[in-house]
Amino acid sequence: RKEVEQDPGPFNVPEGATVAFNCTYSNSASQSFFWYRQDCRKEPKLLMSVYSSGNEDGRFTAQLNRASQYISLLIRDSKLSDSATYLCVVGPYNDMRFGAGTRLTVKP
Amino acid sequence: NAGVTQTPKFQVLKTGQSMTLQCAQDMNHEYMSWYRQDPGMGLRLIHYSVGAGITDQGEVPNGYNVSRSTTEDFPLRLLSAAPSQTSVYFCASSYSTRYEQYFGPGTRLTVT
Repeated sequence: RKEVEQDPGPFNVPEGATVAFNCTYSNSASQSFFWYRQDCRKEPKLLMSVYSSGNEDGRFTAQLNRASQYISLLIRDSKLSDSATYLCVVGPYNDMRFGAGTRLTVKP
Repeated sequence: NAGVTQTPKFQVLKTGQSMTLQCAQDMNHEYMSWYRQDPGMGLRLIHYSVGAGITDQGEVPNGYNVSRSTTEDFPLRLLSAAPSQTSVYFCASSYSTRYEQYFGPGTRLTVT
């Protein structure tokens, strides 16, 4: 079983749609949680950290459920520029585990 | 700030050759790491460092060596390249364990 699992997609959605990604993790001792985005053939870049109480950054909302060991990412009002692969990352630093990513394509 | 830089961007090696992938950061980050990314798999940690002179193994360290003589630089050495090491390699740095990592642009390595 993988340490961090994501639905690979692809998710194909129209502009303006709301889309949600889930990510499950197996290490109950994990302390750090992040969502990164990765554009084709580029390096991953931080989208947002995920805090226990949940957090929002504009159109993006992240949630953490420690009891069920999953984190989620909600994107509202999707833009063409949101097309990318979204990586779930679970820490601590000396054992950071990346999901394989969920691919999102936003269409006009 | 240049952030995290990596050289070379592309490299082709023959089986058995050795080489060093360079990584440097100018953000004065203590934590640096090397990952490899293969199709259909998440990034996997090869080696990491929590400061100059301190390194440790990650999830997939076999066939790779690292050293950290300065805060800025963290080179990755392939001792004897194998086709299984064909991958995209990313270097990353971080202020501390609870903060995000900043990634370099990657090195695309092919071993024939």
